[in-house]
Amino acid sequence: EAQVTQNPRYLITVTGKKLTVTCSQNMNHEYMSWYRQDPGLGLRQIYYSMNVEVTDKGDVPEGYKVSRKEKRNFPLILESPSPNQTSLYFCASRLQMSRGDYEQYFGPGTRLTVT
Amino acid sequence: GQQVMQIPQYQHVQEGEDFTTYCNSSTTLSNIQWYKQRPGGHPVFLIQLVKSGEVKKQKRLTFQFGEAKKNSSLHITATQTTDVGTYFCAGQVWTTRRGNKLVFGAGTILRVKS
Repeated sequence: EAQVTQNPRYLITVTGKKLTVTCSQNMNHEYMSWYRQDPGLGLRQIYYSMNVEVTDKGDVPEGYKVSRKEKRNFPLILESPSPNQTSLYFCASRLQMSRGDYEQYFGPGTRLTVT
Repeated sequence: GQQVMQIPQYQHVQEGEDFTTYCNSSTTLSNIQWYKQRPGGHPVFLIQLVKSGEVKKQKRLTFQFGEAKKNSSLHITATQTTDVGTYFCAGQVWTTRRGNKLVFGAGTILRVKS
């Protein structure tokens, strides 16, 4: 079954304690993204990756890091989480395109609370 | 930067009534996608519109893309309780640096009273 998986699904942590949210897709997609969803703000892109070892900042990258060592995995790293990073996080993947357009597949989400 | 405005933010309708959500972009879009997110779930792709003035239908859902490719709408006829959720539009803009960038609207939350 084609899918994007994320772990953990729920996480409560304290300010400053480093954490990693994993993301994996089994569709051989080149393009992967991380979004955060906050009420009234929709989905905002944090980081994206066009392929292995190619990552770039999205619209709200501050406080986050990513890596793309393998095509299927795209972990999100919070080196020193703060309460304003409390949010619902989605990983997404899609085929890469030059000018073609493809749907994005989203993972189930990770609800993060930073106290 | 590119923005996609979506209205209304909330809509509470009686079952059987119609529902419409609108998206407007500050820039011309390559295409527009629509997603549905059920309560507690993740966004799921519904459809993509590419051509100016395009209209597509999926059962009770009608999607339109404006002539100028800057606005779009989703209309649901005779809503049902299964339509409950948040509907997002996402406009695709081509940039030389980032390739195709997808910009999401804030979403419209639909609640249906039975």
